Amino acid sequence: AQSVTQLGSHVSVSEGALVLLRCNYSSSVPPYLFWYVQYPNQGLQLLLKYTSAATLVKGINGFEAEFKKSETSFHLTKPSAHMSDAAEYFCAVSSSTGTASKLTFGTGTRLQVTL
Amino acid sequence: DAGVTQSPTHLIKTRGQQVTLRCSPKSGHDTVSWYQQALGQGPQFIFQYYEEEERQRGNFPDRFSGHQFPNYSSELNVNALLLGDSALYLCASSPWTGKAEAFFGQGTRLTVV
Repeated sequence: AQSVTQLGSHVSVSEGALVLLRCNYSSSVPPYLFWYVQYPNQGLQLLLKYTSAATLVKGINGFEAEFKKSETSFHLTKPSAHMSDAAEYFCAVSSSTGTASKLTFGTGTRLQVTL
Repeated sequence: DAGVTQSPTHLIKTRGQQVTLRCSPKSGHDTVSWYQQALGQGPQFIFQYYEEEERQRGNFPDRFSGHQFPNYSSELNVNALLLGDSALYLCASSPWTGKAEAFFGQGTRLTVV
């Protein structure tokens, strides 16, 4: 079985500060890992994905994440927060079977950006 | 490209009723998955359809059923609605093979009263 754990249901940062959202995974097979963002009353938008290529993955809107197998982590970072980054962020894992696989999501982290 | 489209956007039903939600996948995608997102929670996998067959199923009762049509669009049906079925229902589409990510629709907000 696969799972992800997101540490911190709420994170608050000042505009311009570093954003760090934590995600740890558990998987018995090499995982595919994803970060999605959800704005109020909307669906999920993909920020970035790890599919066993480069361990440092760059995504949209200045976000990036690093896959660390030894720590079973896939933390999301952004050097400088913007007010528009305020949203709910979900880490998700799927199995690398070569065919479409279900996503298992974490419980989410709500990012608040203050002036 | 219209992306993944879902209808309706909002729906209010009474306990015991039945509901059908619809999803059209992104162009070029042949696999559709459905997720339930309760308020304040992460999405939970309901089931996945490919080639008009259910390929994977999450931990949901038989009251939840689905269908995929030859044009790859899909329906989610829920019978005997319970108050606890109130949630945002998300449809995601992807190609069956490869490493491509899933694209999500805007969701259908179902309220059961």
